[in-house]
Amino acid sequence: GQNIDQPTEMTATEGAIVQINCTYQTSGFNGLFWYQQHAGEAPTFLSYNVLDGLEEKGRFSSFLSRSKGYSYLLLKELQMKDSASYLCAVHSSASKIIFGSGTRLSIRP
Amino acid sequence: DGGITQSPKYLFRKEGQNVTLSCEQNLNHDAMYWYRQDPGQGLRLIYYSQIVNDFQKGDIAEGYSVSREKKESFPLTVTSAQKNPTAFYLCASNNRGGGLGNTGELFFGEGSRLTVL
Repeated sequence: GQNIDQPTEMTATEGAIVQINCTYQTSGFNGLFWYQQHAGEAPTFLSYNVLDGLEEKGRFSSFLSRSKGYSYLLLKELQMKDSASYLCAVHSSASKIIFGSGTRLSIRP
Repeated sequence: DGGITQSPKYLFRKEGQNVTLSCEQNLNHDAMYWYRQDPGQGLRLIYYSQIVNDFQKGDIAEGYSVSREKKESFPLTVTSAQKNPTAFYLCASNNRGGGLGNTGELFFGEGSRLTVL
């Protein structure tokens, strides 16, 4: 079977750092995506990892370990506008891309 | 501007009726997708298509049908066989990953919110 797990909810403080974890078990692996989704809107692309290691893009970084089936999204210098859901998605086989249930992140002042 | 257009944005349906959601893209992408999202949940894959005249079932295809007669268009029909169709439906497209700088990221439309009365 295929399974992607993320924590359901997280809370963090403005200006702090938060790490959102994602573990996956899929039939095939061609890359892992992180998306941000604000309530009532479509997801927007944040990052992509296909090789092991850390990809940094401004305040956001994403890490992948293929041998462990594990990724995390790291958000630094948190801002109130970062309050959103964060979706982990795996490109499993051919064109198939499947999503986890998402992590709802709340930022408190 | 290039992008994905979904219509209608809001749709109300009576029980027992079929409805069709439109999805058009002018990004020249090969692959197109339909996802369903329920409140507080992630995205679940309904159908996807890698190329014109070909499509595959996703994880929750029962009660839905699609066609891919043109590269630009991938309409989704929600049939009366779908027992709980009230949801937010998202269409997406991408070019297959691989190649320099091509992540295969999904580009999404703004979504269609279907409510069954």
